[in-house]
Amino acid sequence: DVKVTQSSRYLVKRTGEKVFLECVQDMDHENMFWYRQDPGLGLRLIYFSYDVKMKEKGDIPEGYSVSREKKERFSLILESASTNQTSMYLCASRLQSPNSNQPQHFGDGTRLSIL
Amino acid sequence: AQSVTQPDIHITVSEGASLELRCNYSYGATPYLFWYVQSPGQGLQLLLKYFSGDTLVQGIKGFEAEFKRSQSSFNLRKPSVHWSDAAEYFCAVGYSGYSTLTFGKGTMLLVSP
Repeated sequence: DVKVTQSSRYLVKRTGEKVFLECVQDMDHENMFWYRQDPGLGLRLIYFSYDVKMKEKGDIPEGYSVSREKKERFSLILESASTNQTSMYLCASRLQSPNSNQPQHFGDGTRLSIL
Repeated sequence: AQSVTQPDIHITVSEGASLELRCNYSYGATPYLFWYVQSPGQGLQLLLKYFSGDTLVQGIKGFEAEFKRSQSSFNLRKPSVHWSDAAEYFCAVGYSGYSTLTFGKGTMLLVSP
């Protein structure tokens, strides 16, 4: 089975801090994704990565950046955390696909609170 | 632009009753369709997927879904709901030439005794 591991289940940070959310997958997947999930809004794509050092902006990239130095690890960075970034963050991975026909596999999420 | 509509925000079903969760997508091309389930405090788990072929697809946990092109729908069904099915369900759509999925806003399923 694919295992996608997010480093923290719960995280509390302060406004203005630089925050790192880490995600690791063990199936040699090329593609990785970061979403945020908010009540009533579903999942919204922040960034995704085709492969190492390759990234694309999703629907809501503002205030975020990402890093993919190794194939198995995809990090989401909040450069200067703000209260409106309080949310559930989900990481996913999948096999390389030019289309969308490979399923994405999700981690358990990080619930981030910015005070 | 791609979009997915799950018209029901909440649904309550009695244990043992049948279930149908609705999903409609917009866009003209042949879609790739997915249903995911999210239990409280967990990530999303894939229930089933449709790419082509037989329009009735079987998934895990006794779920099935039917692709109806004429209605742009991909509704999820289960003949008899168990209390453990209480969760949030997400429909997602993708298309050839696009690398990402578009998710619906989710339907929360509550199961009453």
